[in-house]
Amino acid sequence: NAGVTQTPKFQVLKTGQSMTLQCAQDMNHEYMSWYRQDPGMGLRLIHYSVGAGITDQGEVPNGYNVSRSTTEDFPLRLLSAAPSQTSVYFCASSRLRDGYTFGSGTRLTVV
Amino acid sequence: AQSVTQLDSQVPVFEEAPVELRCNYSSSVSVYLFWYVQYPNQGLQLLLKYLSGSTLVKGINGFEAEFNKSQTSFHLRKPSVHISDTAEYFCAVISNNDMRFGAGTRLTVKP
Repeated sequence: NAGVTQTPKFQVLKTGQSMTLQCAQDMNHEYMSWYRQDPGMGLRLIHYSVGAGITDQGEVPNGYNVSRSTTEDFPLRLLSAAPSQTSVYFCASSRLRDGYTFGSGTRLTVV
Repeated sequence: AQSVTQLDSQVPVFEEAPVELRCNYSSSVSVYLFWYVQYPNQGLQLLLKYLSGSTLVKGINGFEAEFNKSQTSFHLRKPSVHISDTAEYFCAVISNNDMRFGAGTRLTVKP
């Protein structure tokens, strides 16, 4: 049972580049979310999904896109990377509201 | 929308002393409350959760928390801490379809 798998673990991008952070879960969870973690700010919600085909914005959605074509996968797309998007990104999944299971994170640096 | 306030950004404590990490939330509807722990360079691990029922919740590693609806608080406690409890602790709340986090409390246990 792999839980929540995030790839890549580390990434360096140049300003203006685009990329996709991958997230997959094998627990058949309905809920999936993306967070970014910055020092002193805790985790802030970027986007979330309550099931395949349904997504919604969180606290800090600008500059990011998501889609949920399957229950298992919830990729996060950076459209045009900016230094302000340097952060650690966590994907999480949950069955109903039972508490999230987190991936191990992606550390992104935009130069 | 719900919000979470962790009242202390840093809590230093000596080994075997008791500790309380404070968390207050604001929400106009029923909430589900969680505490997570994050060890350095790792993802978040669920410590305990309150969904309903008894207001005193016991979690892993000897931690417990008490839900106080009138004071909108969910403080985390441990009667005797160990060096290995040094980590960052996050309080979180779900009241609709997404989970929101506090800014975190860094617990440092000194010998």
